[in-house]
Amino acid sequence: EAQVTQNPRYLITVTGKKLTVTCSQNMNHEYMSWYRQDPGLGLRQIYYSMNVEVTDKGDVPEGYKVSRKEKRNFPLILESPSPNQTSLYFCASSSNRGSDFLSSYNEQFFGPGTRLTVL
Amino acid sequence: RKEVEQDPGPFNVPEGATVAFNCTYSNSASQSFFWYRQDCRKEPKLLMSVYSSGNEDGRFTAQLNRASQYISLLIRDSKLSDSATYLCVVPYTGTASKLTFGTGTRLQVTL
Repeated sequence: EAQVTQNPRYLITVTGKKLTVTCSQNMNHEYMSWYRQDPGLGLRQIYYSMNVEVTDKGDVPEGYKVSRKEKRNFPLILESPSPNQTSLYFCASSSNRGSDFLSSYNEQFFGPGTRLTVL
Repeated sequence: RKEVEQDPGPFNVPEGATVAFNCTYSNSASQSFFWYRQDCRKEPKLLMSVYSSGNEDGRFTAQLNRASQYISLLIRDSKLSDSATYLCVVPYTGTASKLTFGTGTRLQVTL
């Protein structure tokens, strides 16, 4: 089954304790991205990756790190979590087929989400 | 002006009703637009895309008005199962890398 998986699904942690949220996709997608969703603010992009070893900042990258060593995995790292990083996190992936504007966007498939609480 | 703006709702409608949501965007160069559906505490899923003036898929119609910079989603003959939050999504022109999501419009369909 084609899917994006995230782990853990729920996490309660304390300020300053490093954590990693894993994301994996089995669709051989080039593009992967991390979002956070907060009430009233919608989904905001944290980081994205166009392919292996290619990552870039989104709108809200502060306090986060990512890596893309393999095509299927795109972990999100919080080196020193703070309470303002309490949020619902989604990983997403898509293919990068095509170069014109119609196909340069391909449907993004989202993981089930990780609900993080930082005390 | 926000990059993508939606009425948060909620829209409470009876089963069988027709309901429409609007979404305004600020980037006049945007070429493609999307509606995603998000059920409570679940991941967003693509509902419809629109590249030209409009797109229809069964009970759902998405329309684009470039002059006024808004897109709309029309749902006819609403079902209870249509209850969800509908997210308007505007990609940066020519790239999949940056998507701007609206905050979503919540729809509640009742008996």
